[in-house]
Amino acid sequence: SQTIHQWPATLVQPVGSPLSLECTVEGTSNPNLYWYRQAAGRGLQLLFYSVGIGQISSEVPQNLSASRPQDRQFILSSKKLLLSDSGFYLCAWGMEVKQYFGPGTRLTVT
Amino acid sequence: GQQLNQSPQSMFIQEGEDVSMNCTSSSIFNTWLWYKQDPGEGPVLLIALYKAGELTSNGRLTAQFGITRKDSFLNISASIPSDVGIYFCAGSTGNQFYFGTGTSLTVIP
Repeated sequence: SQTIHQWPATLVQPVGSPLSLECTVEGTSNPNLYWYRQAAGRGLQLLFYSVGIGQISSEVPQNLSASRPQDRQFILSSKKLLLSDSGFYLCAWGMEVKQYFGPGTRLTVT
Repeated sequence: GQQLNQSPQSMFIQEGEDVSMNCTSSSIFNTWLWYKQDPGEGPVLLIALYKAGELTSNGRLTAQFGITRKDSFLNISASIPSDVGIYFCAGSTGNQFYFGTGTSLTVIP
């Protein structure tokens, strides 16, 4: 069966510091991968999605970036965090027409 | 990106009552999905619907894919305290997924 991992689970970072969130999927090959941000328990905002290694599509212009160095690894990064980057970050993988979410990372920028 | 209209935004019900929520879109989707999210966790897929008019059950949950392909409904029968959470609908066109704004459900014992 497929599983999706995210780490860290929680993160507190000062404004202006870099960010790296990692997501890995097990038990499947060549999945579509997604990064979402969720504010205040609602509203899933799609940030990036990838249909293959090195293929990244950005939905919202911002100071975040994503990379897919391996088939089942998806990384969300920032060079300098803003206060507005605080939120709950969810990674998801999709196959065919269904999508499955990871446990999420709670990011607090102070 | 496109966002689906989900209603109601929140519900407060007594344990044992039935619940209904719906999701509408201005666009046609090939697939409708329903998720439940517990606090601090990722959404969990509850039901997937693949064709117009389809009615699918998962235990006490029943969901329907609207005939127009622009809407979907989720019903929960005989609610219990563990049904508490936020329910999201999502429409899929294949690689792309569009989410509703969520329905927050509170079940009063």
